[in-house]
Amino acid sequence: GENVEQHPSTLSVQEGDSAVIKCTYSDSASNYFPWYKQELGKGPQLIIDIRSNVGEKKDQRIAVTLNKTAKHFSLHITETQPEDSAVYFCAAEGWGGGNKLTFGTGTQLKVEL
Amino acid sequence: DGGITQSPKYLFRKEGQNVTLSCEQNLNHDAMYWYRQDPGQGLRLIYYSQIVNDFQKGDIAEGYSVSREKKESFPLTVTSAQKNPTAFYLCASRDRGVVKETQYFGPGTRLLVL
Repeated sequence: GENVEQHPSTLSVQEGDSAVIKCTYSDSASNYFPWYKQELGKGPQLIIDIRSNVGEKKDQRIAVTLNKTAKHFSLHITETQPEDSAVYFCAAEGWGGGNKLTFGTGTQLKVEL
Repeated sequence: DGGITQSPKYLFRKEGQNVTLSCEQNLNHDAMYWYRQDPGQGLRLIYYSQIVNDFQKGDIAEGYSVSREKKESFPLTVTSAQKNPTAFYLCASRDRGVVKETQYFGPGTRLLVL
């Protein structure tokens, strides 16, 4: 089955700096890669996703890049703000198998003033 | 207000007791999912259902059971066979289609063992 590794597990940045979180996946058939943000005690919320037919997608301060050859994808947050502090999860999904997402172990992002 | 609701927010289980977590969605989604989240770990899939009256085991189904009698509802029972049930449980749903669609999550239920 699919295996997703996520790094780093914790990330501390100064307000206004950029943050990058990286994930690798094992199944070359995976073709959908969402990123979720989870605040303490709440359910994850989708912040951006990318499909395997594109290499990059951007939404305001958030961008995701995908390298299918290397089987890795990354989340980029620019101009970080204190409200960006949360746990971020990457996930991967392939065809078949019930459309199941496999999640990374999460990155605790802390944006310091 | 469209979305996914989970109840209760907190649930306490006594030794040997079965407890049921509720998940309801009014998004008209076909597929529903249950995940378990432990500290420092990602979300692990317990059970999922792609259509009414059908469901499949996920990666950690032992000690859990589900039913899908209605499209809107996908309750999860944590049985006494689940020896370490303390965790945050998340329900999700998604629309089924040719193009992959997002899974939307509920607010979660935190289960604690007395």
